[in-house]
Amino acid sequence: EPEVTQTPSHQVTQMGQEVILRCVPISNHLYFYWYRQILGQKVEFLVSFYNNEISEKSEIFDDQFSVERPDGSNFTLKIRSTKLEDSAMYFCASSGGGEVDYGYTFGSGTRLTVV
Amino acid sequence: QKEVEQDPGPLSVPEGAIVSLNCTYSNSAFQYFMWYRQYSRKGPELLMYTYSSGNKEDGRFTAQVDKSSKYISLFIRDSQPSDSATYLCAMSYYQAGTALIFGKGTTLSVSS
Repeated sequence: EPEVTQTPSHQVTQMGQEVILRCVPISNHLYFYWYRQILGQKVEFLVSFYNNEISEKSEIFDDQFSVERPDGSNFTLKIRSTKLEDSAMYFCASSGGGEVDYGYTFGSGTRLTVV
Repeated sequence: QKEVEQDPGPLSVPEGAIVSLNCTYSNSAFQYFMWYRQYSRKGPELLMYTYSSGNKEDGRFTAQVDKSSKYISLFIRDSQPSDSATYLCAMSYYQAGTALIFGKGTTLSVSS
């Protein structure tokens, strides 16, 4: 079964450093997303990406964050100048294939720890 | 008022029980409704997907949407210990390309 792959599974970084989280969405999907989940809290939407541009973003997704699809398979989330409160699980998701394809498929996540 | 409300539980049932999980929401513009299962420190796994009101069945799982009451449910029949997980409801305005709004999740424990 097709899956969304995320790397690394766990990243520890020092406050103020930049991190890049990587994702390989399902190959025929057209829409890509990043979500985050702070421990014990809801899964929260960050951004959606379609046709090489951001289609929607939340209030959380400020200038500290950026996304990129550098090639035909990868989708990245960059967090500049990380803060302690950025510590969370970050999930990549994709949806919308060429045929009828419902729902959003999530990756296993990257656990980001900012120290 | 929060957009999506979900009783966090925990909910404990014996093996074989019928489980009912529910969410309420405030925004009548939601059209697409999903249930996800999440194991500890893993990504959400899609279980059921429903468009607008009605019922949908898949094996032991049945999803119901009542848009007039802004209420969705997931029923699990003949629950198994392997069903022990956190169940998240989620909803969106469009089929793709837009935010999924999640409930906080209900933690279910099925004992053998």
